[in-house]
Amino acid sequence: GAVVSQHPSRVICKSGTSVKIECRSLDFQATTMFWYRQFPKQSLMLMATSNEGSKATYEQGVEKDKFLINHASLTLSTLTVTSAHPEDSSFYICSATPGLATGELFFGEGSRLTVL
Amino acid sequence: DAKTTQPNSMESNEEEPVHLPCNHSTISGTDYIHWYRQLPSQGPEYVIHGLTSNVNNRMASLAIAEDRKSSTLILHRATLRDAAVYYCILSRDSGTYKYIFGTGTRLKVLA
Repeated sequence: GAVVSQHPSRVICKSGTSVKIECRSLDFQATTMFWYRQFPKQSLMLMATSNEGSKATYEQGVEKDKFLINHASLTLSTLTVTSAHPEDSSFYICSATPGLATGELFFGEGSRLTVL
Repeated sequence: DAKTTQPNSMESNEEEPVHLPCNHSTISGTDYIHWYRQLPSQGPEYVIHGLTSNVNNRMASLAIAEDRKSSTLILHRATLRDAAVYYCILSRDSGTYKYIFGTGTRLKVLA
């Protein structure tokens, strides 16, 4: 099946710094990628939809200036958490689609961010 | 987006079949039914999907009600490695691929 890879898998940073998480589709081109956030014992919450070559579409309540999303190529989307604070500590997951009619999505392994 | 409803948790004994239900009473004619599962500290993993007919693959079976308002994921012989949160999700055949996750069912497998 299609493979989506995230990097880094774990990152620890100090409060106030920015952190970038990469999401790559390894064996297909993804015009659309999605970013989710998941807090412990909770479900995945969709943060934004990332379209190649255009601005991301953010879900209600998600600060676009806080969570910068760039989708510069058909195989790479990045999420930058700017001026991170402890409350931003979470599990961030990306997904991508090659555009199958069945609507199937492929998910990355997730990136765990811990802000001290 | 059409909503799905699943029990919060279920338990099963190892080596026994497990039936995980999902209600989706507002499903539209072009919605596909997807099942994913998530192991601890991992991204969701594809399990199976279907539209109208029952589906089988090496991981599981998907039974879809005739009116498509509910479906059941069947694990034929649960193993300890099947302990995970199982999500039932609908996707629109509109090209958006925007998944909205519900709470899912946390499956506990007892040895």
